[in-house]
Amino acid sequence: GQQVMQIPQYQHVQEGEDFTTYCNSSTTLSNIQWYKQRPGGHPVFLIQLVKSGEVKKQKRLTFQFGEAKKNSSLHITATQTTDVGTYFCGAAGNKLTFGGGTRVLVKP
Amino acid sequence: DAGVIQSPRHEVTEMGQEVTLRCKPISGHDYLFWYRQTMMRGLELLIYFNNNVPIDDSGMPEDRFSAKMPNASFSTLKIQPSEPRDSAVYFCASAKTGNTEAFFGQGTRLTVV
Repeated sequence: GQQVMQIPQYQHVQEGEDFTTYCNSSTTLSNIQWYKQRPGGHPVFLIQLVKSGEVKKQKRLTFQFGEAKKNSSLHITATQTTDVGTYFCGAAGNKLTFGGGTRVLVKP
Repeated sequence: DAGVIQSPRHEVTEMGQEVTLRCKPISGHDYLFWYRQTMMRGLELLIYFNNNVPIDDSGMPEDRFSAKMPNASFSTLKIQPSEPRDSAVYFCASAKTGNTEAFFGQGTRLTVV
């Protein structure tokens, strides 16, 4: 089945700085979804990418799907304390499986 | 819609006891997923259903785990007998299709002592 790997596993970010988390697959993905899970909460859908090379933005979040549809990235600019949580990428296509997640901690 | 509803929110049980987790998906969603989340293993897909039919249960760890979906509005995940290593947060999620966003329930935090 489709498996995705995420790096880094942990990300300590100074408030106001930018960071990027990456999602990689050994196989071509039909599409990829990103979710955010706040501490103690449940995963909440952020966005889905379908097309090769697709780029989507949500305020300070920029999501990108690689040209080969084997990798994706989430870039957050000007990190805020509200960005704390774990970000998961998910390989969709009937079976929705997730990478290990990137746990983001923000230093004020 | 109230979203995906899971019960109980917390469950503490003794080793060897049977545990049943419940999930009510969002009405109209044809896909239902059960996940287990631990620090060590992350968010693991256990099983998923399409139109109440189990499609892939390859993530179910062992025969002690079973899942059913008797109708479109209800699913259960049963562990019998439970063991301490089953302690985790179990999430249920539903989606309209296999390629659309999944909505997660609040989860059930299971502790087996």
